[in-house]
Amino acid sequence: EADIYQTPRYLVIGTGKKITLECSQTMGHDKMYWYQQDPGMELHLIHYSYGVNSTEKGDLSSESTVSRIRTEHFPLTLESARPSHTSQYLCASSRPTGMTQYFGPGTRLTVL
Amino acid sequence: AQTVTQSQPEMSVQEAETVTLSCTYDTSESDYYLFWYKQPPSRQMILVIRQEAYKQQNATENRFSVNFQKAAKSFSLKISDSQLGDAAMYFCASTGANSKLTFGKGITLSVRP
Repeated sequence: EADIYQTPRYLVIGTGKKITLECSQTMGHDKMYWYQQDPGMELHLIHYSYGVNSTEKGDLSSESTVSRIRTEHFPLTLESARPSHTSQYLCASSRPTGMTQYFGPGTRLTVL
Repeated sequence: AQTVTQSQPEMSVQEAETVTLSCTYDTSESDYYLFWYKQPPSRQMILVIRQEAYKQQNATENRFSVNFQKAAKSFSLKISDSQLGDAAMYFCASTGANSKLTFGKGITLSVRP
């Protein structure tokens, strides 16, 4: 099972601020994912990466961006946060040939 | 494209009893995987059980087992001897060759002492 970490766990910020949500994993997984979990608890894929320098947009359109410069690190950035970005963000990873995704603890973001 | 449907928003079970959570899915892929994930309140999403579609035998993990009906595209989770710690949100999910997970809307399970 993967060790996958997310920081911060909770973040409350004002509108217009730039924020970066961190996600890192120590298992050398090539595949990493970001999900947005809305107040109704439904999860939607917003970004994914199959390896270094590879990033793709997910099924749900998002104003956030991601980067994958190192295998273990997959940060998500919002250039200008808005109240509509208030949500929980979950990061996950999986082995190159594996289908099982392992999740981090999540970041609960509130934009005032 | 894949879709996953969990039509029951919530269920309740008496401690030590058995409960079954329903899930149906649709996919155009011949090779896919199905999962049940558990998310306790304010806690991490964890894998409960997984099933490879090419395997006919139903997966089991201790008190958790699935009833995989491939023709009916049904994938229910049975929890035996329910415990207070089983109270959580449960998500059914599927993935195909691209390894992207598609989730159902989840079901809230409460356990009555």
